[in-house]
Formats: sequence, structure tokens, C-alpha cells
Amino acid sequence: TQLLEQSPQFLSIQEGENLTVYCNSSSVFSSLQWYRQEPGEGPVLLVTVVTGGEVKKLKRLTFQFGDARKDSSLHITAAQPGDTGLYLCAGDWQGGSQGNLIFGKGTKLSVKP
Amino acid sequence: DTGVSQDPRHKITKRGQNVTFRCDPISEHNRLYWYRQTLGQGPEFLTYFQNEAQLEKSRLLSDRFSAERPKGSFSTLEIQRTEQGDSAMYLCASSLRDRGPRYGYTFGSGTRLTVV
Repeated sequence: TQLLEQSPQFLSIQEGENLTVYCNSSSVFSSLQWYRQEPGEGPVLLVTVVTGGEVKKLKRLTFQFGDARKDSSLHITAAQPGDTGLYLCAGDWQGGSQGNLIFGKGTKLSVKP
Repeated sequence: DTGVSQDPRHKITKRGQNVTFRCDPISEHNRLYWYRQTLGQGPEFLTYFQNEAQLEKSRLLSDRFSAERPKGSFSTLEIQRTEQGDSAMYLCASSLRDRGPRYGYTFGSGTRLTVV
């Protein structure tokens, strides 16, 4: 059973389009993080959300943490080919240990010029 | 600060052989984590250290896997008697304990293991 479900699994869009990817769980998380991973490389942290209902913006990327701290979304405005990659959400699970993050399977985004 | 370094980047080994990977974390980070990532999956937690102490191991970590961080700096992950199912990307990450997992990890570029 996957603790963090990400959707969609795959997304292929044209440059300039907007998109939203989702990260959902039935469990509560102390925090949720979003990472981007390129082929053959490790994940790179984009943002951490901590407070229920929190919204953070990073240029064209908008991240939101659900009020109940069980879900999160990532919205990209006017996608560019450089946004291509695997987007992973990861949670600091309140029911788990203090030492590790739980990752979702990721959303593989392809932005075509 | 040169980030988290992992060596080698790629390793091809025959089934049954032993392999060892090395991770050098960011120097001031006292926590070090090992994750494994297979194709189409997110990273799965294997184990983590705080300084030289191994504080947690996943049940994914069979008896063939062992990790060390002898002086609280670099870490090694050894896989004995490799199996084809061990083929994966092995990722190392580090963080500051006081900042906890909620502040995110810095990952290395990983070691891609292929068992043939």
C-alpha cells in the first residue's frame, strides 16, 4: 500500500500550458516536500510546506498543503521544456519514525516545445 | 560546500558478487540516509545514521545489506551476494538533525547498480 498517492503518473503537455499534479494520502503529515528529479540524478528539493492550508510560490510553481495536512498540489503556470522531469512528493509522516521521509511514486512530466 | 558525493556513479556486477558504495555527505550535516529507487518508483528508505550511530533500518534491508558510518563522516553501503532484484539506483542524502526531515534532504546523484 502506497502511503502517498501521486496523480497523474504521466503528463505530456505543450509549452505554455498550465498543469496541476496531486499528492494524496489518508494519513496526516507533519510536513510535505516536493522534489524534482532528472534522469540519472538525485531528487532536488523544491519546497517544504508545513502548515495546513499553506500556499508557497516559486516563480511559476505554486504549492499548496491541504487544510488537514493529508494532501498537497503543485501547479505550474505556462510550462516550459525546462520543467520536464519527475516530480516527487515526500512526507514527514506523523505515524512513522523521526528519521525518514516517505516518497510517492512521482509524476513524470514532459513539456514539448 | 560541494554537496553530497556518491561513488561510483555506475556499477555493473555479476550475480553473487559483493559491491560497496560510498557516500560523502555535506560536511556539517550529522544525519545521513540511504534510499533505493527502482524504475517507475519513488525512493524507498533503507537506513539512516545520526553521526556514527545507525538509528533505523527498513525491513527492506535484508541481511545481505550492511551500512556503516565509522567516524560520522562518510558512509558505505555494502551488498553481499548480489541478486538481480538488487538492480536499482542507490541514493544517499544528508541533513542537519536540528532541522529535521521537514526541512528537506540534500541528495547525491546516486549509484546506478546493474546486476547481470
